[in-house]
Amino acid sequence: AQKVTQAQTEISVVEKEDVTLDCVYETRDTTYYLFWYKQPPSGELVFLIRRNSFDEQNEISGRYSWNFQKSTSSFNFTITASQVVDSAVYFCALLRGGYQKVTFGIGTKLQVIP
Amino acid sequence: GAVVSQHPSWVICKSGTSVKIECRSLDFQATTMFWYRQFPKQSLMLMATSNEGSKATYEQGVEKDKFLINHASLTLSTLTVTSAHPEDSSFYICSARDTTVSSPLHFGNGTRLTVT
Repeated sequence: AQKVTQAQTEISVVEKEDVTLDCVYETRDTTYYLFWYKQPPSGELVFLIRRNSFDEQNEISGRYSWNFQKSTSSFNFTITASQVVDSAVYFCALLRGGYQKVTFGIGTKLQVIP
Repeated sequence: GAVVSQHPSWVICKSGTSVKIECRSLDFQATTMFWYRQFPKQSLMLMATSNEGSKATYEQGVEKDKFLINHASLTLSTLTVTSAHPEDSSFYICSARDTTVSSPLHFGNGTRLTVT
């Protein structure tokens, strides 16, 4: 069975602090894909990143960075120098290779306080 | 990037009436679209997989006669909530993926349904 665990349900940080959102996944498949999505208060879901199971390279995009470690089945997301606009719910998701259904974590609500 | 348009963004209807929600892929063809439901402060729950030209595949526990899905073209899927009741009030989100299975899902902006 597939499972995505986001143990942090809510996080509050002060603006300019760094924050890491944790994601741990479970799957028996060797081919799979991991995603992060952002859901701001307006409700839409914004795609942030996709990583496949064969690519453990970490990625940095501006203030965002992702750390993928297969050994610990984790795909953590770090926001550097957080801003108020980063306040949102962030979802980690897993897609099994060859399948259509995406499994979402419960989401982590991030509040950045000015 | 791929854009998915969902309409309406919010709707209020009376109990017993039906509501139709549209989901369009604007710049790509989607043979498969997905309908999710999200309760407040909860994650997304997959309701059904909409397949172009064929019947939708519903997840366990989702009433197919209540949530009618039609995927008549490669760019349009509709979800009709029939005989809506207050407990159907929720945030409904559609998503689509372009032809590559591993491509990320692109989501519509969601529809907030309130049944009074």
